[in-house]
Amino acid sequence: GAVVSQHPSWVICKSGTSVKIECRSLDFQATTMFWYRQFPKQSLMLMATSNEGSKATYEQGVEKDKFLINHASLTLSTLTVTSAHPEDSSFYICSARGPRGGETQYFGPGTRLLVL
Amino acid sequence: QKEVEQNSGPLSVPEGAIASLNCTYSDRVSQSFFWYRQYSGKSPELIMSIYSNGDKEDGRFTAQLNKASQYVSLLIRDSQPSDSATYLCAVNFRSGYSTLTFGKGTMLLVSP
Repeated sequence: GAVVSQHPSWVICKSGTSVKIECRSLDFQATTMFWYRQFPKQSLMLMATSNEGSKATYEQGVEKDKFLINHASLTLSTLTVTSAHPEDSSFYICSARGPRGGETQYFGPGTRLLVL
Repeated sequence: QKEVEQNSGPLSVPEGAIASLNCTYSDRVSQSFFWYRQYSGKSPELIMSIYSNGDKEDGRFTAQLNKASQYVSLLIRDSQPSDSATYLCAVNFRSGYSTLTFGKGTMLLVSP
């Protein structure tokens, strides 16, 4: 139980394009999902908290107009990197708060983004 | 500023030994603590959670929590080369909220 998927697993795009990443909870409903970014050899950095049916809460320093988050259903949250630039190249990982609203977070497999 | 501190390592142990991973946190009122394992190039996977002072065992893993000392540790018994990974300590600093703050992780290397 508590399986989280992400799509795509890899994406390469040109500078200036937008990229959408999907995060799905497969066997449970997730009212809260999280989006993290991880640069090589660095720790996870929380970008935003996504709550179903409401606006995402962004961490300090994360541009909400650049990283658009939508959590339209209890099993799906999306992150759109708008007008991506090479410095946005990173490993983007989502997680979902566990079944029955527990505090444990279950992570998706991650999406590696390379912006050329 | 809520902080979670871990020694970056690498911590090197021979196969079959006990690996001890340590983590300290800055807020005495924190209630929930988690250990995740992250293989290179992969996302974190949950090892175990601990909420009360003392030890919690799950197979070869034992989490130890000392809230008075603001210290949580993970012991791995009978370490295997497949345990080689980065171990992330995570703390929920606000009870009732699910936001976790992660340490930078300790790299563990288990040599055959």
